[in-house]
Amino acid sequence: DVKVTQSSRYLVKRTGEKVFLECVQDMDHENMFWYRQDPGLGLRLIYFSYDVKMKEKGDIPEGYSVSREKKERFSLILESASTNQTSMYLCASSPGGPASDYEQYFGPGTRLTVT
Amino acid sequence: AQSVSQHNHHVILSEAASLELGCNYSYGGTVNLFWYVQYPGQHLQLLLKYFSGDPLVKGIKGFEAEFIKSKFSFNLRKPSVQWSDTAEYFCAVTKRTGANNLFFGTGTRLTVIP
Repeated sequence: DVKVTQSSRYLVKRTGEKVFLECVQDMDHENMFWYRQDPGLGLRLIYFSYDVKMKEKGDIPEGYSVSREKKERFSLILESASTNQTSMYLCASSPGGPASDYEQYFGPGTRLTVT
Repeated sequence: AQSVSQHNHHVILSEAASLELGCNYSYGGTVNLFWYVQYPGQHLQLLLKYFSGDPLVKGIKGFEAEFIKSKFSFNLRKPSVQWSDTAEYFCAVTKRTGANNLFFGTGTRLTVIP
């Protein structure tokens, strides 16, 4: 079974703090993704990566950055957390190749609260 | 821009009732279509997917979906729901070329009353 793990299930941070969300997958997948999930808005793509050290902006990258130094690990960074970044953050991975043919596998999510 | 619409935000059904959740997308090219489900407190997981071939797709737990290209729709159905189907359901679309970006609908919360 594919396993995608996220470092924390719940996180509370203060406004202005630098926040790191970690994601690890154990299936040697090339593609990794970060989404945020908000009620009434569904899932929105923040950033994705097709390979180590490669990253692409998604639909809502403002206020976020990412890092992928190793194939299995994809980190989401909030440089200076703000209250409007309070959300559920989901990490996903999928195999490489003709990427649109593959489903994405999701982690359990990190519920971040910024106060 | 590509978009996915799920018009039902919250559906409440009694057990054994039939279910149909609507999904429409706006992209004009060839697409892959997915339904994901998120049970309370659990991961988002794949329910079913359509890439090509028979437009009627069967998924896990008795769910099925029909791709109607002329209507840009991919509605999810189940003939008889159970209390354990209570969950949030997301329709998602990705283009067949280019990036593997999934575009999600806003989700439909299904509550099944025993």
